[in-house]
Amino acid sequence: DAMVIQNPRYQVTQFGKPVTLSCSQTLNHNVMYWYQQKSSQAPKLLFHYYDKDFNNEADTPDNFQSRRPNTSFCFLDIRSPGLGDAAMYLCATETGTQETQYFGPGTRLLVL
Amino acid sequence: GQNIDQPTEMTATEGAIVQINCTYQTSGFNGLFWYQQHAGEAPTFLSYNVLDGLEEKGRFSSFLSRSKGYSYLLLKELQMKDSASYLCAVRRSNDYKLSFGAGTTVTVRA
Repeated sequence: DAMVIQNPRYQVTQFGKPVTLSCSQTLNHNVMYWYQQKSSQAPKLLFHYYDKDFNNEADTPDNFQSRRPNTSFCFLDIRSPGLGDAAMYLCATETGTQETQYFGPGTRLLVL
Repeated sequence: GQNIDQPTEMTATEGAIVQINCTYQTSGFNGLFWYQQHAGEAPTFLSYNVLDGLEEKGRFSSFLSRSKGYSYLLLKELQMKDSASYLCAVRRSNDYKLSFGAGTTVTVRA
């Protein structure tokens, strides 16, 4: 039973063409995270929500935006993807009580 | 700042034991996690240590020494399916976020 779902699993976009990645969860967790992970590198936190409170990492480019319309869903919008934005994008959720984070399967983004 | 170091690669034989070390320097500490990540897939939770000592879970054990900023993940009776990347992650006490290491790729050979 999938708990954190990401769609699509693979996304191909063109340089500069906006793209939206989605994440949904059935765990009713308060906290949702978006990470960017490039090959053989650590996941890099982009932003997170505690309920509806949005928290942006200081080094997250303005090109990346996020929306969380309700507890279950969270979106990552890349306004003008560049070649350097090609990566795996991971969504994770957490109860907010300092337990482990549960990751979705990730969306692999390719920018042509 | 945060600095988490772990070896890039390790190779071991099926049935053997492998120990993956992780050293960390973080601005505050509130627990250390180990995740397993198969190629192209999401990280999955393996273990959590917040107090010093050894936590054992079947074939996998994790150890923590807070005073030394050191942890290891021990994989026993290695199986081919254990070939994966193993990520060390530290939860910071100031903001409760996770800082990840780059991962150790373990290759299990027959």
